[in-house]
Amino acid sequence: GAGVSQSPSNKVTEKGKDVELRCDPISGHTALYWYRQSLGQGLEFLIYFQGNSAPDKSGLPSDRFSAERTGGSVSTLTIQRTQQEDSAVYLCASSLGVHRGRNEQFFGPGTRLTVL
Amino acid sequence: AQSVTQLGSHVSVSEGALVLLRCNYSSSVPPYLFWYVQYPNQGLQLLLKYTTGATLVKGINGFEAEFKKSETSFHLTKPSAHMSDAAEYFCAVSKPQGSGGYNKLIFGAGTRLAVHP
Repeated sequence: GAGVSQSPSNKVTEKGKDVELRCDPISGHTALYWYRQSLGQGLEFLIYFQGNSAPDKSGLPSDRFSAERTGGSVSTLTIQRTQQEDSAVYLCASSLGVHRGRNEQFFGPGTRLTVL
Repeated sequence: AQSVTQLGSHVSVSEGALVLLRCNYSSSVPPYLFWYVQYPNQGLQLLLKYTTGATLVKGINGFEAEFKKSETSFHLTKPSAHMSDAAEYFCAVSKPQGSGGYNKLIFGAGTRLAVHP
C-alpha cells in the first residue's frame, strides 16, 4: 500500500494479558515512530527507530513496553501484563529520514487498545 | 524542555468565517513546527510545516501559518471555513537531537474545530 498501515485496528484485551501491535511503514522509509494518544495525556512520543536500532526510547512509560523493528521495515510494539491505563490509540508514523527535507512524518490510522 | 501550548481546546466558527487556531511553543533552539489535522477515527495528516526560510507557510486545504520568532507563535489560519474543516488540529514541534537530526514530535493538546452553518 501507499501509506502506513497498522494492525489490528482495534484490540480488546483483559488486564494482565500481553498484546502485540504491528506497524508497516511506507516502503523506503528508514525512520519509524510510535506515539500514544489517550484522553488524559494527549499525544505522546514513545519510541523512534532508525533502521533496526532505537536511538530514542525515552517515551516508553514502563518496562512493560518494548518494541522492535526487523529488516528495517515492520515494527512491533509489545505491551506485557496490560493495565487499564494502557487503553489508548497507538499511532505509528514513518519518514524518509530524520534530516531536513526527509523528516516529514506520515501517520497510520492507529490501533485502538482497550484493556478491560 | 520543549513544550507546545494550544489556546482553546474547542473553537467554533460559522461556515465562511475566519479560522484562527493558536499555538505557542517553547524551545531553546529554533525548532521545526508543524500543524496536523485528525478526522474522526483516522490518523494524523500533515497540513503544513515550517523548517527554515519564509515565515509564512501555506498548506493544504487553504490553511496557512506564520512563524513569529519574537512571539514564539505558529498560529494556523484559514480565511473561510468549510463544513469539511471540522476536525481536531494539533500543533507540534521537533528540535535537533544532537547529530541525529530532527526526530520526535512534541504535540500540543489539540484544538477541536466545529463549523456550523
